[in-house]
Amino acid sequence: GGIITQTPKFLIGQEGQKLTLKCQQNFNHDTMYWYRQDSGKGLRLIYYSITENDLQKGDLSEGYDASREKKSSFSLTVTSAQKNEMAVFLCASSTLTYAEQFFGPGTRLTVL
Amino acid sequence: QQKVQQSPESLSVPEGGMASFNCTSSDRNFQYFWWYRQHSGEGPKALMSIFSDGDKKEGRFTAHLNKASLHVSLHIRDSQPSDSALYFCAAHRGSALGRLHFGAGTQLIVIP
Repeated sequence: GGIITQTPKFLIGQEGQKLTLKCQQNFNHDTMYWYRQDSGKGLRLIYYSITENDLQKGDLSEGYDASREKKSSFSLTVTSAQKNEMAVFLCASSTLTYAEQFFGPGTRLTVL
Repeated sequence: QQKVQQSPESLSVPEGGMASFNCTSSDRNFQYFWWYRQHSGEGPKALMSIFSDGDKKEGRFTAHLNKASLHVSLHIRDSQPSDSALYFCAAHRGSALGRLHFGAGTQLIVIP
């Protein structure tokens, strides 16, 4: 088995601030994902990375940057935090894009 | 336009009852389906996949896929309070370069 670790668990920032969320996986999976989940709602894909040197935009990439530092880690940067993007950010990984995705516990973002 | 539609938005069933969820893809290319479940405060976890027409049973959970109508359903028999969660349907093209598209989810409450 493996685990996905997301840091920090809670992130509080000021409006307009640049904020970075980190994700690590020890499954040795090729593909990693960042999703945003607004309160009790569905998952919206922000960015994904099929292999270590790849980066693909999802449905909600505007206002975000992502970086796949190595196979096991994938970071997400909120370039200018806005109050309307307070949400839980979920990281996931999988062997292939259509295979089972394993999710981390999430980072809850609050913007003051 | 959302590629995956789920119904109902929410569902309440008595303990021991049957819970049923529906999911439809609006894109004929998306014929590989997953069901995920998310308990409050956690990341989603995969319940089961279904890629072929017909039924797939795993314990108390049964999925049914009709590729002609692009409709997939999930049924939970003998529902338990621990089944109370948000249930997501997700669809994929089956291509290595594709990605999962998640529906908006159905909130299940099992009443003891």
